[in-house]
Amino acid sequence: QSALTQPPSASGSPGQSVTVSCTGTSNDVGSYNYVSWYQHQPGKAPKLLISDVNKRRSGVPDRFSGSKSGNTAYLTVSGLQAEDEADYYCTSFAGYNNFYVFGTGTKVTVL
Amino acid sequence: QVQLQESGPGLVEPSGTLSLTCAVSGGSISSENWWTWVRQSPGKAPEWIGELSKSGISNYNPPLKSRVTISVDKSKNQFSLTLKSVTAADTAVYYCATTSINWCPADQWGRGTPVTVSS
Repeated sequence: QSALTQPPSASGSPGQSVTVSCTGTSNDVGSYNYVSWYQHQPGKAPKLLISDVNKRRSGVPDRFSGSKSGNTAYLTVSGLQAEDEADYYCTSFAGYNNFYVFGTGTKVTVL
Repeated sequence: QVQLQESGPGLVEPSGTLSLTCAVSGGSISSENWWTWVRQSPGKAPEWIGELSKSGISNYNPPLKSRVTISVDKSKNQFSLTLKSVTAADTAVYYCATTSINWCPADQWGRGTPVTVSS
């Protein structure tokens, strides 16, 4: 099972929006609405932002939103803030043989 | 929300066994439905290792299945990872996590512990 493909980096100025893509296949992202997104800042535990493609975890600002089209899922961060600078990872359920596959990660920089 | 803390040897010899423990604090380990391990090798995507449910169901990543065991000690509020016959390819930061969200591999995470396989 190959990792989901994410762009290595993305950036935006404070207040702007940035969208991170997560491309899989018909065996994972394309078949299941079970995509989750995580934020990982250096020295901290990863933080779950979104599950089930677009369900924000309690306490996550509504600046974070998720969507999916075909084999690709998206995380959009609106109104970028300096504190949003982090690595972002997606993951998808991939069936009852492989279970879960992660994305390659995207480093989001706030300019 | 529970807090998770991984612990274990940072160095394991090739062909040896990697053993890590995840201590759960701030709540009962049984408050979560699934206990999970994830690892990330340098420069690679995170890799789901496997999970154990509080009802005793275990699921493992197929490439690792023959070498991995996840177990729980509810009396100590902790769960563990055992990985046998390790090689340099098992060098990674290992994370423990828990979740009660269906088809979401991890909700609460630990900060991770680095493990190097080397002689």
